[in-house]
Amino acid sequence: GQNIDQPTEMTATEGAIVQINCTYQTSGFNGLFWYQQHAGEAPTFLSYNVLDGLEEKGRFSSFLSRSKGYSYLLLKELQMKDSASYLCAVGDSNYQLIWGAGTKLIIKP
Amino acid sequence: GAVVSQHPSRVICKSGTSVKIECRSLDFQATTMFWYRQFPKQSLMLMATSNEGSKATYEQGVEKDKFLINHASLTLSTLTVTSAHPEDSSFYICSARGDQDYEQYFGPGTRLTVT
Repeated sequence: GQNIDQPTEMTATEGAIVQINCTYQTSGFNGLFWYQQHAGEAPTFLSYNVLDGLEEKGRFSSFLSRSKGYSYLLLKELQMKDSASYLCAVGDSNYQLIWGAGTKLIIKP
Repeated sequence: GAVVSQHPSRVICKSGTSVKIECRSLDFQATTMFWYRQFPKQSLMLMATSNEGSKATYEQGVEKDKFLINHASLTLSTLTVTSAHPEDSSFYICSARGDQDYEQYFGPGTRLTVT
C-alpha cells in the first residue's frame, strides 16, 4: 500500500533549527514535495526533490534519499511565523500526490 | 505565475440546499484539477481528480452524485455540493496542475458551513 509517515507535532524555539522527517512507501515515485499550511489557509509550496541530495532555499532546505524512502525539511533561524503544519507529499506513478498527515510545528519564544 | 483562485472564500448555507464552488487558474492552463476536503486538525483528503473535458475520477467513499464536479475549460472547475448537510461543513480546497507538471498550485480554499 501507499504510506507516508511524519511526526504529528514538534516544538522548537525561536532562532533555533528544526528538522522534520518524512518516510514514504509508494507505488512509483515522481518526486517529493514539502508544503507549508497555516491554520485555516491552503497549502503553499516549499520545495520539490526528485534527485538524491540537499536542496537549499533560503532558511529552508530539503533532503531526499530515494533508496531509503526518506526526506527531511530543515528550517533554520526559526521565526514565530514558521508556526504551521508542514505537509510531505509524494508524486506517484499516476502523477497524483500522496499526502502525509502533516507535522504541526509550534515555535516558542 | 501559477495563481489559482477560488470563490467564494466562505459560504454559509442551510441544510438541504446546494452550493457551488469555483476554482480558476488565472495565468496557466490547468489540464488537471483536484478537489480536496480538510476537516479541522486533519490532513488533506483528496475527493476527486478532474481532467478538462472528461468526467471526474472520484476517490473511494466520495459520492459522485452529491459532489458534482465540472471541468469544462482549461481554466475553470466547479464543485457543487448538493443537498448539503451539517456534516458537509469543511474546508474545501482546489488545486490545479498544468500539462507535464507535477506540482499542484492551490487555491485559497472555501470554508463551507451548513446550518
